[in-house]
Amino acid sequence: GAVVSQHPSRVICKSGTSVKIECRSLDFQATTMFWYRQFPKQSLMLMATSNEGSKATYEQGVEKDKFLINHASLTLSTLTVTSAHPEDSSFYICSAPGTPAIYNEQFFGPGTRLTVL
Amino acid sequence: AQSVTQPDIHITVSEGASLELRCNYSYGATPYLFWYVQSPGQGLQLLLKYFSGDTLVQGIKGFEAEFKRSQSSFNLRKPSVHWSDAAEYFCAVQKGNSGGSNYKLTFGKGTLLTVNP
Repeated sequence: GAVVSQHPSRVICKSGTSVKIECRSLDFQATTMFWYRQFPKQSLMLMATSNEGSKATYEQGVEKDKFLINHASLTLSTLTVTSAHPEDSSFYICSAPGTPAIYNEQFFGPGTRLTVL
Repeated sequence: AQSVTQPDIHITVSEGASLELRCNYSYGATPYLFWYVQSPGQGLQLLLKYFSGDTLVQGIKGFEAEFKRSQSSFNLRKPSVHWSDAAEYFCAVQKGNSGGSNYKLTFGKGTLLTVNP
């Protein structure tokens, strides 16, 4: 089946630094990818829709200048958390819809655990 | 906008007992419905999905779910729970299949399943 990878799986950084998280579709192309955020013991909340070749679409309440999304190719989307602060510590998960042959199933990356000190 | 309600935050069952996890959705049209499972610190694994047709769908690991339009429900069931089923379970609804942002998922808050030996 289709595989989505994320890198890094875990990152610890100091407050004020920026962190980049990569999301790759390994064996299929994805013109759209999604970024979710999950706080401990909570559900996944959609942050933004990443669109290849155009600007990302952010959900209400998500700061686009803080969470920069770049969908540089059909297999790669990146999320950069700029000037990270402890409240940005969370589990970030990306997903990509499969091709029509896989009939709309979405494939999730394994997630990235961000800890901001 | 669509929404998903999982009324049970935490359920405890004995190994070998039957299981039913509840999910209710709110959406104007026929939704695309999913159940995912998440082990601690891991990404999401798709258990099963409903798009159309037979309202009783079979998934992996012995799970099944039944779509009931009249009750706006999509409850997950398993006849005999194994200790390895202990995890967090998320019900999700997708708006459509016409591409782009229609693929984004809205998740319920999740149900944590504990299995006693």
